Amino acid sequence: GENVEQHPSTLSVQEGDSAVIKCTYSDSASNYFPWYKQELGKRPQLIIDIRSNVGEKKDQRIAVTLNKTAKHFSLHITETQPEDSAVYFCAARIQGAQKLVFGQGTRLTINP
Amino acid sequence: DAGVIQSPRHEVTEMGQEVTLRCKPISGHNSLFWYRQTMMRGLELLIYFNNNVPIDDSGMPEDRFSAKMPNASFSTLKIQPSEPRDSAVYFCASRTGDSSGNTIYFGEGSWLTVV
Repeated sequence: GENVEQHPSTLSVQEGDSAVIKCTYSDSASNYFPWYKQELGKRPQLIIDIRSNVGEKKDQRIAVTLNKTAKHFSLHITETQPEDSAVYFCAARIQGAQKLVFGQGTRLTINP
Repeated sequence: DAGVIQSPRHEVTEMGQEVTLRCKPISGHNSLFWYRQTMMRGLELLIYFNNNVPIDDSGMPEDRFSAKMPNASFSTLKIQPSEPRDSAVYFCASRTGDSSGNTIYFGEGSWLTVV
């Protein structure tokens, strides 16, 4: 089955700097890669996603890149703000399957 | 839409007691997922249903765990008997079954503590 590895497990950056979180997946049949943000005590919520036919997608300060050959994808947050502090999860879904397999999560802390 | 609705939000129970967690998926969604979240193991998929039928229960830890989906708008996850190591946040999530419905939407979670 699919296996998703996520790094780093914790990340601390200065406000205004950029943050990058990386994930690798094992199954080349995966074709959908969402990123979820989970604030303390809250549910995971989708912030951005990318399909395998696209190499990059942007939404304001957030971008995701996908390298199908290397089987890895990354989340980039620019101009970080205190409200970006949260746990971020990557996930992958195999084409035709229903379930999402999640990475272990990255706790991002933005220092003022 | 009210989103995925879970109950109870918080439960504290004694070891050995039966625990039942409930979920109402988003109306029109025909796939439902139960995830468990702990610090050590992250987000684990326990079981998922498609059109009320259990498709993959390979993540259910052991026979003490069972899940049902009697109709399209209701699912339960039951733990009997409960143990302290079952303490976790249990999330229910749903999505549409068509090709455009990639996103899964989580409920607020049920915070379970077994003492």
